[in-house]
Amino acid sequence: SQKIEQNSEALNIQEGKTATLTCNYTNYSPAYLQWYRQDPGRGPVFLLLIRENEKEKRKERLKVTFDTTLKQSLFHITASQPADSATYLCALGDSNSGYALNFGKGTSLLVTP
Amino acid sequence: DVKVTQSSRYLVKRTGEKVFLECVQDMDHENMFWYRQDPGLGLRLIYFSYDVKMKEKGDIPEGYSVSREKKERFSLILESASTNQTSMYLCASSPPPHQETQYFGPGTRLLVL
Repeated sequence: SQKIEQNSEALNIQEGKTATLTCNYTNYSPAYLQWYRQDPGRGPVFLLLIRENEKEKRKERLKVTFDTTLKQSLFHITASQPADSATYLCALGDSNSGYALNFGKGTSLLVTP
Repeated sequence: DVKVTQSSRYLVKRTGEKVFLECVQDMDHENMFWYRQDPGLGLRLIYFSYDVKMKEKGDIPEGYSVSREKKERFSLILESASTNQTSMYLCASSPPPHQETQYFGPGTRLLVL
């Protein structure tokens, strides 16, 4: 069955460092992969989308890579700030499921001053 | 700005009650989705809809039904609420042409006693 794995343990880093979050998947051939941010008690907010034919995508301090051979995406936040503290979800989609997404369970990031 | 609203932030219901959760989006989106989110299980898709009066089952449709009579409104119905339906319910919509991206509402935290 399809499986999406994100670091289950919280990631604690110091302000100014680069945070790197991992999303691995098995038994899946996604057409695209997305990253969302979720704050406690709120709905997820879309951050970035990367397609299967793209290796890397950037948006301001965010960078996403997508390796379909390794079946892995890495999500980087450079020059991290305490305001980046949140849970980050990866989500995969493919042509067979229309526009429905499969979400990972998320990784909690805590950036300390 | 895209706005997805949900009828209640918090709800408390009794076992056996029929429960209606309403979701409204104001941007003429075609696709709408209902998820539930539980600790350790992540976001799971209950139902989605591509158009008015159309619906598709997600991964966990049992015990739920949906209604989409108007494009902007997607309702989730718990026919006979049970304690295992206590959860955070999240509605999302996705707009053309970027239909892969989902915009989420703030969520409804439902407690079934």
